[in-house]
Amino acid sequence: KNQVEQSPQSLIILEGKNCTLQCNYTVSPFSNLRWYKQDTGRGPVSLTIMTFSENTKSNGRYTATLDADTKQSSLHITASQLSDSASYICVVTGGGSQGNLIFGKGTKLSVKP
Amino acid sequence: DGGITQSPKYLFRKEGQNVTLSCEQNLNHDAMYWYRQDPGQGLRLIYYSQIVNDFQKGDIAEGYSVSREKKESFPLTVTSAQKNPTAFYLCASSTGAHSYEQYFGPGTRLTVT
Repeated sequence: KNQVEQSPQSLIILEGKNCTLQCNYTVSPFSNLRWYKQDTGRGPVSLTIMTFSENTKSNGRYTATLDADTKQSSLHITASQLSDSASYICVVTGGGSQGNLIFGKGTKLSVKP
Repeated sequence: DGGITQSPKYLFRKEGQNVTLSCEQNLNHDAMYWYRQDPGQGLRLIYYSQIVNDFQKGDIAEGYSVSREKKESFPLTVTSAQKNPTAFYLCASSTGAHSYEQYFGPGTRLTVT
């Protein structure tokens, strides 16, 4: 069964600290993996998108990694800010003409001053 | 929220009433999608449309209906047949099939009492 599992479910860190969010998937075939940031009560906003051949992709203080062999991805946030408080959603697109999207449940990050 | 608008932001209805959620995009995207988001759950696909006058059921289409008469618009009707309609509804669009990056609207929170 195609699944995307994210951990931890929630995380609290102090402002200025780094953190890493995990995403494991069992989707096959694999097309791409995306990380979205979703502020409370808002729509998700794309942070990164990676295909099979990409290992690392950065977007400012956000760095995503992908290990297609172990089917794992991580999102590293450097020098966290209060505005990083949000849910982070991992989304895996399966291959094929319809490209089915499988959404993780998200990690809720709270950055405290 | 990238050229996708959803209205209204909050919607309240009595049980047994149908309600229509609006979604408009000015990104010239061919594909549009409707998702439902419940607390602690990943996004679930309700309906999607890859071209005008054509749409397909997603994973949880029962109790919902859509139309795609114009490229820019993809309204969702939540009917009285939907058992648990209270949720956060997100509309998205993309240039092509599911494998292309999806851009999300700000969402509509529907409460049915």
